[in-house]
Amino acid sequence: AQSVTQLGSHVSVSEGALVLLRCNYSSSVPPYLFWYVQYPNQGLQLLLKYTSAATLVKGINGFEAEFKKSETSFHLTKPSAHMSDAAEYFCAVSFKAGGTSYGKLTFGQGTILTVHP
Amino acid sequence: DAGITQSPRHKVTETGTPVTLRCHQTENHRYMYWYRQDPGHGLRLIHYSYGVKDTDKGEVSDGYSVSRSKTEDFLLTLESATSSQTSVYFCAISRDRVISNQPQHFGDGTRLSIL
Repeated sequence: AQSVTQLGSHVSVSEGALVLLRCNYSSSVPPYLFWYVQYPNQGLQLLLKYTSAATLVKGINGFEAEFKKSETSFHLTKPSAHMSDAAEYFCAVSFKAGGTSYGKLTFGQGTILTVHP
Repeated sequence: DAGITQSPRHKVTETGTPVTLRCHQTENHRYMYWYRQDPGHGLRLIHYSYGVKDTDKGEVSDGYSVSRSKTEDFLLTLESATSSQTSVYFCAISRDRVISNQPQHFGDGTRLSIL
């Protein structure tokens, strides 16, 4: 079955530390992949997207993500966390082939990032 | 920011009453979506529209109906609200279906409480 999993519902880092948020998908065909960020009481904002042009994708606010087909992963990273990065992050997947999820956006459960001074 | 307006932003109502949420866009995008967001579930698709009067069900459509009479407006109706429909509702739009890699853009949400 096609699915997307975010490992860790809460991640806590110190300001200046590396941020790593994990996303894995299950699909026989590599999908389109997206990362969104949600600040409190706001909608979702697109951080970056993978569309098969390049495996390392750079997004806004210094975030980047690397697509690894062998690991079916699309982890989000930022070298140095800032207090303003505190938010909830969602991995979203568009499966290209078959199944009931075809053509729709399937979201992971979200990871809340806390940044400590 | 994509021109998406959701109304109302907050609503409290009682079980059994009808509720309509509105999504208005100024981008002239063909596709519009309604999601609900609940803790531990991420966002789940309720219904979507691929054109005027063209709609389809998502994964959690029971108890909800939608209508789209104009490109810019997509309405979500709870015919008889239940407490399980207490949630935050998001509207999204996209130029094309996501299989074309076009991202969806989201409104700021409607917080609905059903007592």
